[in-house]
This record gives sequence, C-alpha cells and structure tokens, in this order.
Amino acid sequence: QITLKESGPTLVNPTQTLTLTCTFSGFSLTTSGVGVGWIRQPPGKALEWLALIYWDDDKRYNPSLKSRLTITKHTSKNQVVLTMTNMDPVDTGTYYCTHRFGELGWGQGTLVTVSS
Amino acid sequence: QSVLTQPPSASGTPGQRVTISCSGSTSNIGSQTVNWYQQLPGTAPKLLISSNNQRPSGVPDRFSGSKSGTSASLAISGLQSEDEADYYCAAWDDSLNGYWVFGGGTKLTVL
Repeated sequence: QITLKESGPTLVNPTQTLTLTCTFSGFSLTTSGVGVGWIRQPPGKALEWLALIYWDDDKRYNPSLKSRLTITKHTSKNQVVLTMTNMDPVDTGTYYCTHRFGELGWGQGTLVTVSS
Repeated sequence: QSVLTQPPSASGTPGQRVTISCSGSTSNIGSQTVNWYQQLPGTAPKLLISSNNQRPSGVPDRFSGSKSGTSASLAISGLQSEDEADYYCAAWDDSLNGYWVFGGGTKLTVL
C-alpha cells in the first residue's frame, strides 16, 4: 500500500523560505520510473503542479515558479523535500505530495498560510 | 489562467449522463495522454481516469474518458449524488522542458 504524508510549517512569514517534507512508504525512489511530485491548491481554487523528482534524480519544475523551487530526495529516508523561496500571501494553500502525477497516491495535504 | 480549459461548472439530475470537456493544445493533449482527477469536498484529489480512458481499480464503470485531437472529455453516466465533486483534467506539456499542467477544474452539482 502506497502512503505519502506532508510535513512542515503551517505558518510562514512573507519573504521567508518554505521547506516541506514528503515522507512516503510502499515504494522506493530507487525503482526505475518512480517519481514524487508536489501539487498545491489555494483555498477555493484549482490545482497547480509545482515539481517532480524521478528515481534517477531528473527534476522538473513548473516554469512559472522554477526560480523559487528546489526539489531533492533522500532515498534512504524515503523522503522528498521541496523548498520554495520568497514566500508571498498568494502562496497560501494546501500543498500535496504525490506518487508521480498522483496515479497511485496523494498525501492528505498540508495547509500553509503566508502571513505576518 | 490554467493551460487546460474546463467549464467552471456542470450539473445534472440523478441518473443523467454528464460530460465535462477539457481543451488544450498540440504541446499537451494533442501529443500526450490525459488524466482525470476527482476531488470530493474537503479531501485530496484521487485519480479517476488515466491514459485518456483507463479506469483504475475501484473506479465505477460509470466514469469514462476519451480524447480527440487537442480535447478530452470525461463522461459520467447514471449520475449519483456522491458524484458531486470537483473534476480536473491534466496532461504533460512538451514545451519549456516539459511540465505537468492542470485544467481549472469543473464543479459538478447533482441537482
């Protein structure tokens, strides 16, 4: 059974850097074809894809946010970390981690509020 | 502004058939497969349809997907009250080094 869970701060000050961790089980990021991604959703709005990291360390980013995002994997810990710099109130929303593009699993999501 | 275009809302009565459209371009739907996701109120999305028309195990056969050219559709037959949710299409986009794109979502109301 594949499970994913997001963890990180619930409140971030504007201009700060957000660091989110996805801890997963039921699969390995050393297996060919496997990836872990991040998707966010502002309150009452649509889903927005952020980034994905593959088993071979190939990384893909949303072009509109690429300059602010970094995705890394810690294979031995079954974790993927997403950092987003220069947070703004418009970045408020629920952040989900997913197995690849959500075909086999989504985390429950973590609500991040950006406010001073 | 989402890369893929969906109608913001759709509705139907129990038992009806409803379709939700998703329009893209040659760099996404026109050359890649489409996934559909269902998001029930207050929950994380879940995969409903993959690779244009494949239903994961556990998804009722009332749900079906299709693709033609640069557009895709999700059809729900025998509409039930529990189908009231937000529906999102998504696909890989080949431009700008490749990235995943979503539609703006369609809120389905069962009248």
